[in-house]
Parts: sequence; structure tokens; C-alpha cells
Amino acid sequence: NAGVTQTPKFQVLKTGQSMTLQCAQDMNHNSMYWYRQDPGMGLRLIYYSASEGTTDKGEVPNGYNVSRLNKREFSLRLESAAPSQTSVYFCASSGHRSGGEQYFGPGTRLTVT
Amino acid sequence: AQSVTQLGSHVSVSEGALVLLRCNYSSSVPPYLFWYVQYPNQGLQLLLKYTTGATLVKGINGFEAEFKKSETSFHLTKPSAHMSDAAEYFCAVSGESGYSTLTFGKGTMLLVSP
Repeated sequence: NAGVTQTPKFQVLKTGQSMTLQCAQDMNHNSMYWYRQDPGMGLRLIYYSASEGTTDKGEVPNGYNVSRLNKREFSLRLESAAPSQTSVYFCASSGHRSGGEQYFGPGTRLTVT
Repeated sequence: AQSVTQLGSHVSVSEGALVLLRCNYSSSVPPYLFWYVQYPNQGLQLLLKYTTGATLVKGINGFEAEFKKSETSFHLTKPSAHMSDAAEYFCAVSGESGYSTLTFGKGTMLLVSP
């Protein structure tokens, strides 16, 4: 039982390049989330998917797109990376029976130069 | 809308001393409240949560927190700090349904000295 997995763990991009961050969960959770973590800012919600087939914007969605591929997988895409998107990205999931608790992946550390 | 304020970006204690990390929240509906811990270069791990019922909540690693509605607080405590407690701690409040999005505080880094 792997929980929430994320790939890649590290990535360096040049300004203007695109990439997709992958996230998968094996807990049969309905809801999935993408956050970014910056020093002194805590975690800020980028996008979330309350259930398969739906996605909604969070606090900081600009510059990102998401796809809920199926119940297990939720990807985050940067179409044209900017230095301001240098951050650590976390994926999380939660289920109806988890009492609101979210389970987090190990994170992807992204640097945009 | 919900919000969370964590007082103190850094808290320093000596090993064996009381740990107190402060969290105040704002919510227009009865909140679900959470404390998460993050060790260096890792994801977030749940320490404890309050949903309903008993207002004193016990979590892992000897931590506990008390929900005080009148003070809109959910402070995290541990009677005796251990070196392994050094980490960043995040308080979070849930959305209206209890199953929706979490709003996080900015975090408090706990430093433990020998």
C-alpha cells in the first residue's frame, strides 16, 4: 500500500518550458488536491478535484492546469514555466471516511531558471 | 471563508521542556481542525485532528491539542520535547463540509536544543 505517490521528485526547467507533475493514490479516495509550498507561506491550494470528473480552482491557479485522469490519478501541468513557479509541489487525497484528513505525497521540488 | 493564524514562525525549546505551538482559526461554520508535521524533505503527516466530540484531542508522538470554541484556538502541546520533535508544524482548518479543502497556516518551525 503505497499511499500517495508523486513523480518526479526533482525537476529543473528553463523559463517557458512545459511539464506535467504526476500523482497517484491507491486508497480509493474520491478527492485529490495539488498544493505548492513556499518558505513562510505555508501550503497554498492550486487546484482540487472533489470527485472523478470534476476539478476546481484553489487559491493560486494561475499558470497551471490539471487533469483528473481517473479516480487514482491527478496531474498538474505547467504550460509555460516561470521562475515564480519555483516551489515544492505536494499532491494529497482524501476520502469520505477520512473525516477531512488529507494524505500527502512526498513532494516534487521544481526549480525554474 | 476560513483562515488560520499560527503565532511565531519559529519556536525554540530545550529538550525536556514544554512545547506550545499556537493556532487560531476563523470559520463561519463548525470547523474541523488539524495539526500536521513536516520533517525535512518530506511530505506532511497528520499529528491529530478535531472533528466533533471531545475537545481535548490526543495524537501521535505524545502531542495533544485542545479545541476552544470561545477563543477560536487549537493550540498544540507536548509536555516534554524530544530532539526528534524538531520539524515544521502546520495547523489547518477544513471547509464547510468537513470533506472539502483545507486552509493551512504559514507554519511554525520547532527547534529543540540539547
